[in-house]
Amino acid sequence: SQQGEEDPQALSIQEGENATMNCSYKTSINNLQWYRQNSGRGLVHLILIRSNEREKHSGRLRVTLDTSKKSSSLLITASRAADTASYFCATGGGSNYKLTFGKGTLLTVNP
Amino acid sequence: GAGVSQSPSNKVTEKGKDVELRCDPISGHTALYWYRQSLGQGLEFLIYFQGNSAPDKSGLPSDRFSAERTGGSVSTLTIQRTQQEDSAVYLCASSLAAGGAADTQYFGPGTRLTVL
Repeated sequence: SQQGEEDPQALSIQEGENATMNCSYKTSINNLQWYRQNSGRGLVHLILIRSNEREKHSGRLRVTLDTSKKSSSLLITASRAADTASYFCATGGGSNYKLTFGKGTLLTVNP
Repeated sequence: GAGVSQSPSNKVTEKGKDVELRCDPISGHTALYWYRQSLGQGLEFLIYFQGNSAPDKSGLPSDRFSAERTGGSVSTLTIQRTQQEDSAVYLCASSLAAGGAADTQYFGPGTRLTVL
């Protein structure tokens, strides 16, 4: 069963705009990770946020985590056409080593 | 350094044949994971290795699926008597350890399996 659920399922924006994707999950977590996937192949790790963290930044990425609401968001600022990909949140880590993925958000950045 | 590699990148086989998929994890990573991604089911966990042992095989869909890891490094996922529903992208990941601060999983490019 899918632990994380991303929304929206698909998002289309213009280059330069910001993109926000959300993820909700059901059970307690040790950490939450965001991945990017191009063309249905390998997953690229973007960022990991631990359950005791509320916000984390990496370049143009900003991730927030609200454990009381069991939700996370990924913000990509100043988007580029190269950001076009599917984005997945995954929960797990710690003793819960196996990652459970959501269905993903397909982001299209139009030049 | 080198990332996780998988081979073959694509495999087309006939129903009923056996296939072997290979994963080379990042050097020094003790934990290795297999996942499957299919249109209907999304990304699913299959099996996890710590060293050469597999403490969790709970995600293997049937007894036609098996995996092994040797020397704490390379892993092979074997599917016997393949069925059309086995068609999917099989992804391998590795992490420095399982649990704690070193559990970020790094994925390989995947093997796309098509069963005709």
